[in-house]
Formats: sequence, C-alpha cells, structure tokens
Amino acid sequence: QLQMQESGPGLVKPSETLSLTCIVSGGSISTGSHYWGWIRQPPGKGLEWIGDIFHSGRTYSNPSLKTRVTMSVDTSSNQFSLRLDSLTAADTALYYCARHLDMTRFDLWGPGTLVTVSS
Amino acid sequence: DTQLTQSPSSLSASVGDRVTITCLASHDIGNSLNWYQHKQGEAPKVLIYDASSLETGVPSRFSGAGSGTEFTFTISSLQPEDIATYYCQQYDILPFTFGPGAKVDI
Repeated sequence: QLQMQESGPGLVKPSETLSLTCIVSGGSISTGSHYWGWIRQPPGKGLEWIGDIFHSGRTYSNPSLKTRVTMSVDTSSNQFSLRLDSLTAADTALYYCARHLDMTRFDLWGPGTLVTVSS
Repeated sequence: DTQLTQSPSSLSASVGDRVTITCLASHDIGNSLNWYQHKQGEAPKVLIYDASSLETGVPSRFSGAGSGTEFTFTISSLQPEDIATYYCQQYDILPFTFGPGAKVDI
C-alpha cells in the first residue's frame, strides 16, 4: 500500500528558505496520471493548496505563493520536494504532501510535518 | 480564484442526528467538488469526490449532492467518531481551493 512521509527542519528562521521532502513508498511516483501535491494548514486556520508536480517535472502552484515556491521530483529516489523562499511567521503551518489523483481529489496524505518560522 | 463558503462554520448535534453542511462556490464548478474529513492530529481524508461519489471504504452514512454553485454534505446518522472538521474542495479551476471548514461536535 502506498504511503507518504514528509521530512523537514521543524524550525526555520524568518527570511530563510524552507525545504521539505516527501518520500513515497509502496508504489512508484512515476506510474499513472497522478500529480503529487503540497497542502498546508496554519495553526487554527483552514487548508491551503500550495502546488502540484507531475513525475515529468511539470508543476502548478498557487499564485499567492508562486514567486516563492519551487517544486522538484526525483523519480530515482521516489520522492518529491518543496522549497519555499523568504519565510515569514505567516508560513508557520502543518505541511502535508498528498497524491492528487488525476488532479481531482487528494486521496492519500502524509501525516504532516509542523514547520515553525521563528528567530 | 474560486471562493468556497461553508455553512454552518460549526455545529453541535447528538448521536444519531442528521447533519448537513452546505458549500457554495463563487462560480459554476460543475461537479468538481470533494469533501474531506479532518480529525485532530490526523491527515485529512477524502470522503466524497465528484460531488456525490463515495470514496472506497467510507461508510454509507456520508453522502454528497449538488452541482454548479451549491453543494451539500450529509451525515445521515451522526456517530461519535465523526467529530471532525469537514472541508469542501474544488478542482474545476486553478488554483485549487478549499472551503474554510465546518466543525462538527457532539
């Protein structure tokens, strides 16, 4: 059964860059027409879509974050990554990776990783 | 962006009650709407996709209806394990957006 697991630093300083990786196990990231997405939830707030990446490297991202977001995929390691630049306290959130089934529903999720932006 | 509004934002009901949440879209999104259950400390879980299709393994007490701009999500008989926040999400047009959530308590 396919599983996903986020990994990241936990604590990042303002103005620095966040790097998160999602490791996919139990199935190949390269099969099917699925995209692989990032979603976040700030404390006490709702869910926000950050962006999606296909195994070919094609990406879509939220315009509200687009200039700060970079996504990449490593099919040989079966993982994909998110980079978010110029962090502020507003980027403090629980970050999830998820499989975006045919870019319709997010059907499989990682457990999430909490990222705090603080000096 | 496609704005989604949910009502009510929170509700309290009794075990066995019928619970209905509404999601309104800022423009016609056809049936491109999903519903998620998000329990504290867990990842969100998709319950309904394409507005009214039940995800595999999800109990039949959950259902969805609607199209265009108005959608409903119903729990036919509320159970203690249904305590969660429920989100609608549209995938008709980028950027994909979620509603603000509806918290269900018992």
